[in-house]
Amino acid sequence: DTGVSQDPRHKITKRGQNVTFRCDPISEHNRLYWYRQTLGQGPEFLTYFQNEAQLEKSRLLSDRFSAERPKGSFSTLEIQRTEQGDSAMYLCASSPTGAGNTIYFGEGSWLTVV
Amino acid sequence: GDSVTQMEGPVTLSEEAFLTINCTYTATGYPSLFWYVQYPGEGLQLLLKATKADDKGSNKGFEATYRKETTSFHLEKGSVQVSDSAVYFCALNRDDKIIFGKGTRLHILP
Repeated sequence: DTGVSQDPRHKITKRGQNVTFRCDPISEHNRLYWYRQTLGQGPEFLTYFQNEAQLEKSRLLSDRFSAERPKGSFSTLEIQRTEQGDSAMYLCASSPTGAGNTIYFGEGSWLTVV
Repeated sequence: GDSVTQMEGPVTLSEEAFLTINCTYTATGYPSLFWYVQYPGEGLQLLLKATKADDKGSNKGFEATYRKETTSFHLEKGSVQVSDSAVYFCALNRDDKIIFGKGTRLHILP
């Protein structure tokens, strides 16, 4: 049984550099989510996809952030011109379509901007 | 908007003690309710869920009952173990997104 996988698990980057995270959801899950979690806080919703369509984006997702899911399978989250405030864990999750369905999370990608 | 409020931590207990972590929610209608657990350095794992009023979710000795009257979903366990040390998040499902509380850190002492 393959769960949600994320890569890389850890990334240290210099301020101003671009970073990209990849997420592979559970196969046959139509929905894919991105969340951000900072220390001592609960995860905050960033965006989600239904197949390849990006259905909603949070106000937290500034212009420097872009997410794609081109073939409705894996997704990428790119952060351009990183800032120290971007340091966080970026969590990917997936679920089948349907109200109330359980959302399954990956182990997260830690980003440290120095 | 919809929100989840849970008791602040950290909560420190001795092994075999009884655990309660309080959680209340604000929402229109009747969302599904969840408890997720996060072990150090890991992502979130679903611990249990309840989808309608009076449902009881249970897993690994943990239980929580969906109380519509008090808009609560308190997490309980009769006898905690050191391995239960983690951060616990109460959450609700709204418009197919999960909204989380801030989390409660639990320390169990041997």
